[in-house]
Amino acid sequence: DVKVTQSSRYLVKRTGEKVFLECVQDMDHENMFWYRQDPGLGLRLIYFSYDVKMKEKGDIPEGYSVSREKKERFSLILESASTNQTSMYLCASSFSTNEKLFFGSGTQLSVL
Amino acid sequence: GNSVTQMEGPVTLSEEAFLTINCTYTATGYPSLFWYVQYPGEGLQLLLKATKADDKGSNKGFEATYRKETTSFHLEKGSVQVSDSAVYFCALILTGGGNKLTFGTGTQLKVEL
Repeated sequence: DVKVTQSSRYLVKRTGEKVFLECVQDMDHENMFWYRQDPGLGLRLIYFSYDVKMKEKGDIPEGYSVSREKKERFSLILESASTNQTSMYLCASSFSTNEKLFFGSGTQLSVL
Repeated sequence: GNSVTQMEGPVTLSEEAFLTINCTYTATGYPSLFWYVQYPGEGLQLLLKATKADDKGSNKGFEATYRKETTSFHLEKGSVQVSDSAVYFCALILTGGGNKLTFGTGTQLKVEL
């Protein structure tokens, strides 16, 4: 069965901390994505990657960066966490363009 | 720009009731349309999709028809079960737009006995 694994289910950080969210997929997918999910706003795309060492900005990249050193791993980095980055973060992957996305279970991040 | 509008929830139904969740879209090109479902504590998973006008997507008793004339993709099910309780997301992707899905805000469905 296909699997997208996010490293933490719940995370609590302090304002100003550097935060790493990790995502690993075991399906040899080319594409990987980071979304945040907020009540009333749905899912918003932060960054995505079509290949190793390649990244593109989504709709809300400010305050975030990403890293994709290996095909199976896509990391989201909050350089200096702020309270408005408290959210549910969802990682997803897909094999190719227009193929369905497979999602991880999400990381609920709270920034205090 | 591209956008997806869904009816607000929560929608509360009794078991075996008929379900409709409305979804309309705005797109600059020719989108493919999707419904994703998120069960409690889980990530999203694809429920069904339609790639061109008049296509009907179906899965697990759910159906949605791609209506270009009304720019809609309403989700329907004839008889809901308690296990259908979840959040449902309508989404679109433009042909040639890579894999950048645009999601609606989600509609929570609660089914009671």
